[in-house]
Amino acid sequence: GNSVTQMEGPVTLSEEAFLTINCTYTATGYPSLFWYVQYPGEGLQLLLKATKADDKGSNKGFEATYRKETTSFHLEKGSVQVSDSAVYFCALSDQGGGNKLTFGTGTQLKVEL
Amino acid sequence: EAQVTQNPRYLITVTGKKLTVTCSQNMNHEYMSWYRQDPGLGLRQIYYSMNVEVTDKGDVPEGYKVSRKEKRNFPLILESPSPNQTSLYFCASSFSSGREKTQYFGPGTRLLVL
Repeated sequence: GNSVTQMEGPVTLSEEAFLTINCTYTATGYPSLFWYVQYPGEGLQLLLKATKADDKGSNKGFEATYRKETTSFHLEKGSVQVSDSAVYFCALSDQGGGNKLTFGTGTQLKVEL
Repeated sequence: EAQVTQNPRYLITVTGKKLTVTCSQNMNHEYMSWYRQDPGLGLRQIYYSMNVEVTDKGDVPEGYKVSRKEKRNFPLILESPSPNQTSLYFCASSFSSGREKTQYFGPGTRLLVL
């Protein structure tokens, strides 16, 4: 079955540091890939997505590239802010644009001044 | 404002006392789903519905029921809650056909079963 593996947290960074959160997946065919963000006390919000190999999703300074050869979708940001502190979830949906999402375990990011 | 709402946001109950968590969306989405979030396990799907009167089990359906009598509502029912159902629950919705299937999540319901 499908699975998503992401790096364990918490990840603690200083403001303006570079961020990478690793995500790898196991799935048949060409799933769609997502990053969701959960701010404290809130539900999940879609941060970015990519639907085919080599696509780059981007939003709010975050980027992730769909790498089929390494089955990865690593999240990056060049300069994090305190307001980026949240839990980040990598997820996939089945090839063909199915609705079901398979999530990773989440990575907590703490950004300090 | 397009949104998914859940009620209640917080709930403390005792083992065996039936409860319902409501979920409602105003985006005319066909697909709705319930997830539970537990530390170290991420989000796992409980039940989903592709449209009115169409529901199916997700990965962890034991101990839960759902119904989909109206397009906008998808309540989660715990007939006899147990402590292992203490968790954070999220409802989500999306379109079920076409290219745009981004799932929108509710704010979550934190449940404690004593």
